[in-house]
Amino acid sequence: DARVTQTPRHKVTEMGQEVTMRCQPILGHNTVFWYRQTMMQGLELLAYFRNRAPLDDSGMPKDRFSAEMPDATLATLKIQPSEPRDSAVYFCASGPQGGGTLNQPQHFGDGTRLSIL
Amino acid sequence: TQLLEQSPQFLSIQEGENLTVYCNSSSVFSSLQWYRQEPGEGPVLLVTVVTGGEVKKLKRLTFQFGDARKDSSLHITAAQTGDTGLYLCAGVSGNTGKLIFGQGTTLQVKP
Repeated sequence: DARVTQTPRHKVTEMGQEVTMRCQPILGHNTVFWYRQTMMQGLELLAYFRNRAPLDDSGMPKDRFSAEMPDATLATLKIQPSEPRDSAVYFCASGPQGGGTLNQPQHFGDGTRLSIL
Repeated sequence: TQLLEQSPQFLSIQEGENLTVYCNSSSVFSSLQWYRQEPGEGPVLLVTVVTGGEVKKLKRLTFQFGDARKDSSLHITAAQTGDTGLYLCAGVSGNTGKLIFGQGTTLQVKP
């Protein structure tokens, strides 16, 4: 089965450090989503791309977070500088044409568990 | 802002019991999806309901979309320990096409 691959699976670092999370979407999927999951807030959409173009990043703190898709096989989410409140599990999901809308499912990776000390 | 409220937040039952999880909103969604998430993994799609009043069955799981497309329910018959997990409903916003997730229902099925 094709899967969304996220790296690293776990990351522990000190506040102020730069964090980069990577995602390889399922081949052929043209829509990529970044989510953050915490106990308090649940799953929150941070940003999403279609055909590598950012469509919406309104859920993302602009001053420290950035999301890019250098190519169709790689999406990155960076935090600089990181803060303890950024500690969460970050999920990447991909979908086929129109993925995440209407009937199209989103396929999630297994997440990056981030701890900022 | 469109919100989805799930209830209950936590549910602990014995194997063989039935249960229902609810997902409610004051907003209308173009469709609604149910996901199941196990510890250390990402959510996995169970079903999508699109039409108001629609009922879909997946083995022992029955999903219903409200007539007004503002709410949904998940009913599990004769729960098994393998049903343990976090159940998430997610509505597709008709305005933006984005998924809006509920807070989730953590289900524990004890042997």
